[in-house]
Amino acid sequence: GAVVSQHPSRVICKSGTSVKIECRSLDFQATTMFWYRQFPKKSLMLMATSNEGSKATYEQGVEKDKFLINHASLTLSTLTVTSAHPEDSSFYICSAKGPSGSRADTQYFGPGTRLTVL
Amino acid sequence: DQQVKQNSPSLSVQEGRISILNCDYTNSMFDYFLWYKKYPAEGPTFLISISSIKDKNEDGRFTVFLNKSAKHLSLHIVPSQPGDSAVYFCAANNDMRFGAGTRLTVKP
Repeated sequence: GAVVSQHPSRVICKSGTSVKIECRSLDFQATTMFWYRQFPKKSLMLMATSNEGSKATYEQGVEKDKFLINHASLTLSTLTVTSAHPEDSSFYICSAKGPSGSRADTQYFGPGTRLTVL
Repeated sequence: DQQVKQNSPSLSVQEGRISILNCDYTNSMFDYFLWYKKYPAEGPTFLISISSIKDKNEDGRFTVFLNKSAKHLSLHIVPSQPGDSAVYFCAANNDMRFGAGTRLTVKP
C-alpha cells in the first residue's frame, strides 16, 4: 500500500512556542491531506482538510490561526501549532489521499506525532 | 453532527470466537465505507471496505456487511485472535470523519 510519513514522531516543547509537524506521501501524489487529533481514549477528530495549492478547510471549533496548515506540494503538508499550550498536547495524525480512480484513492495514514507541551 | 456512529465503546471476546463490531450512519448519500484498525500511538491502518452497491465484502477472517435500509454496517472477525486487539473505526469515504471507535479485546 501507499506510504505516508510524519515527522517528528514525538516532540516536547515549552508553552508559548510553535511546533511544525510534517506529513509526506512517499510514493504517491496526495491531492488531499487530512489532519486529525486524537485525545486519550477518544476518537480521531478531523481538524482540517487541505487540497494542494489551496487553503485548508477547517472543521467547526478548530482555530485556523492556532493550527496553521500548508499543503504546498503534492507530497507535503505541514501543521504548525502556534503558541502551543499544555491543552494542545495530543496525538496528531495526518492522512493523504490520491486522485480519484488512482491506486491511492483512499486514505493512507501517517504514524502520528505525539506533542507534549510543558 | 456525527454522521457516523459507533455506539459500543468496547467489546471483549474469547480467542477463536466471532467479534462483531457495529457502525451506524445517517447520510443515505454515503456510498463507500471503510474500517480501520488502530493500535495505541500509531496511525490507523486500512482493514476492509465496502461499496454501497454490495451488501457483503470478505477478506480472510474479516467480513463487512452493509444494510443500506437500516444504514448499518458491521465488521465480523472470525476466528478472533489476540493480535486483533485494537481500536476499530468505521468511516464513510464521502465524509472522512470517523466513528468514536470500538476497543476490541480478544482474550487468550
